[in-house]
Amino acid sequence: EAGVAQSPRYKIIEKRQSVAFWCNPISGHATLYWYQQILGQGPKLLIQFQNNGVVDDSQLPKDRFSAERLKGVDSTLKIQPAKLEDSAVYLCASSLGGLAGGGTDTQYFGPGTRLTVL
Amino acid sequence: AQSVSQHNHHVILSEAASLELGCNYSYGGTVNLFWYVQYPGQHLQLLLKYFSGDPLVKGIKGFEAEFIKSKFSFNLRKPSVQWSDTAEYFCAVSDTGGFKTIFGAGTRLFVKA
Repeated sequence: EAGVAQSPRYKIIEKRQSVAFWCNPISGHATLYWYQQILGQGPKLLIQFQNNGVVDDSQLPKDRFSAERLKGVDSTLKIQPAKLEDSAVYLCASSLGGLAGGGTDTQYFGPGTRLTVL
Repeated sequence: AQSVSQHNHHVILSEAASLELGCNYSYGGTVNLFWYVQYPGQHLQLLLKYFSGDPLVKGIKGFEAEFIKSKFSFNLRKPSVQWSDTAEYFCAVSDTGGFKTIFGAGTRLFVKA
């Protein structure tokens, strides 16, 4: 079974530039998560999708971050404009989902995109 | 505020030593609890999880964790570590609907051969 795919793996940009990350979850997984992991910290949930609907984006800095999952499959996360403090690894994860039993689902993580903002 | 606290950021053990990694959480209501592991060069992956029933749960590679509700704790244990257990370990909590997942800061374990 193919895992969660993410691209690019690495990105270096200057502050105030924009950047986009792509994620393709495991086939059939309804729930998709984007996390930000700053060096030395655990992953922080930015946004959670159930199919193509947002179920939690309470920690997404909406003035600069946006995410979409238009067809309920792959997803993009965008930062515009980037700040120095956005330097982090951006992780995508997916789970089988389904709101009835979603709480016990295992999240499967992709390799992440390492963003450096100069 | 909801939070997950992992007591040790770095742990160094010799092979065959016993391991216990602490995890405490502050979270309103009933929770689901997870331990994830990231081996060098690999993705984060699930080690074990608890959502109900027996508070002592067993995971892969000989790991186990005990949920103590009164202490808001979910400590990870392994009786005898191996060099291949060198990794970073993350405790995570979510509500029973699978929302609001919060991760701890992680514990880096180095096992000396």
